[in-house]
Amino acid sequence: DTEVTQTPKHLVMGMTNKKSLKCEQHMGHRAMYWYKQKAKKPPELMFVYSYEKLSINESVPSRFSPECPNSSLLNLHLHALQPEDSALYLCASSLGTGPQETQYFGPGTRLLVL
Amino acid sequence: GESVGLHLPTLSVQEGDNSIINCAYSNSASDYFIWYKQESGKGPQFIIDIRSNMDKRQGQRVTVLLNKTVKHLSLQIAATQPGDSAVYFCAENSGTSYGKLTFGQGTILTVHP
Repeated sequence: DTEVTQTPKHLVMGMTNKKSLKCEQHMGHRAMYWYKQKAKKPPELMFVYSYEKLSINESVPSRFSPECPNSSLLNLHLHALQPEDSALYLCASSLGTGPQETQYFGPGTRLLVL
Repeated sequence: GESVGLHLPTLSVQEGDNSIINCAYSNSASDYFIWYKQESGKGPQFIIDIRSNMDKRQGQRVTVLLNKTVKHLSLQIAATQPGDSAVYFCAENSGTSYGKLTFGQGTILTVHP
């Protein structure tokens, strides 16, 4: 089973709201990722967690706060977002973070910031 | 900077035809490449991968070719079906140990019945 699940599917929030995106996998993968994808563009890496520790932050603004409570779960906490943050947020996981690891993606959360 | 790019942004084919989607990469140190299919409203779906010690790999109806001399990657889809209509992304692993993928810009494949 190569399934990564994400909730919610859609989210609308105001610029003063606080919300969280959730991602879950039960494949025993030890690496998890957050990507941002704007319309008609490729995914852009935001964060990488390896063995529940943050290993890469691609200079993401602090209004995005990732959290990895355990090896199966990954959250992205959102606060004081801007309209330009509206995008599809994708979670992915891989067995490890070696150079030849396949990343499997979830369906994404489509976020609209008003 | 290093990048992965595509020669054609769109490809339109008839059902039953073979499709070829191309990708150029610039990081000669990359040693792992993946093709993803992304349908509208969905996340990228793994199709096939290839390691740099190979020049060809076949899956079900798909073949990936890697030419390291000219840093070129292609995805061939045999007997293309309407369900193959999607955006196709190539991605390369930059060779670091953290699994960082760099994606190409994507090709929109449209299959006409």
